[in-house]
Amino acid sequence: DQQVKQNSPSLSVQEGRISILNCDYTNSMFDYFLWYKKYPAEGPTFLISISSIKDKNEDGRFTVFLNKSAKHLSLHIVPSQPGDSAVYFCAASARAGKLIFGQGTTLQVKP
Amino acid sequence: DAMVIQNPRYQVTQFGKPVTLSCSQTLNHNVMYWYQQKSSQAPKLLFHYYDKDFNNEADTPDNFQSRRPNTSFCFLDIRSPGLGDAAMYLCATSWTSTNEKLFFGSGTQLSVL
Repeated sequence: DQQVKQNSPSLSVQEGRISILNCDYTNSMFDYFLWYKKYPAEGPTFLISISSIKDKNEDGRFTVFLNKSAKHLSLHIVPSQPGDSAVYFCAASARAGKLIFGQGTTLQVKP
Repeated sequence: DAMVIQNPRYQVTQFGKPVTLSCSQTLNHNVMYWYQQKSSQAPKLLFHYYDKDFNNEADTPDNFQSRRPNTSFCFLDIRSPGLGDAAMYLCATSWTSTNEKLFFGSGTQLSVL
């Protein structure tokens, strides 16, 4: 039973446009959500997080939106840059429990 | 730079031959984690240490063991690797285990022949 799902294995976007990566979850107890970015041959690195008491968190070009009623979160990257090409994982936890990861979405930003 | 280091980057072992993967950290974090990631799948938590306290996930096979001799080092032992154990093994650390971001190593890609 996969509690965190990233249904799009890949996404291709033109440089300068918006990238939107989506993540759905099933456990209503999740109260903390994170996005990680992974380049080839490197480990995942933390990108941005959001608590369930918020519906939006912004950090530079990266914004995470949380829709609790739909159990959906999304990561927006504006404007997208070629260096953003990577695998993006969303993750969630409930009451300070372990992180549950999605399968990842591979983003390709074309120059 | 403070970091999480995993050795080796690639490991090849034979079916049934014990193998040990290592992880070290210079962040002085209390918590160390081992994740298994198979191709195109989500990283799956195997176990973690909070300081010296070992926490095993319920569905982690007995074939997988871990040791943490000190704050800096943590080892993953696979007693009798099977073909299904071929995967990327990621070590991660965090200061506490409460909703904190994890710091990952680069991973060890394990092949089982």
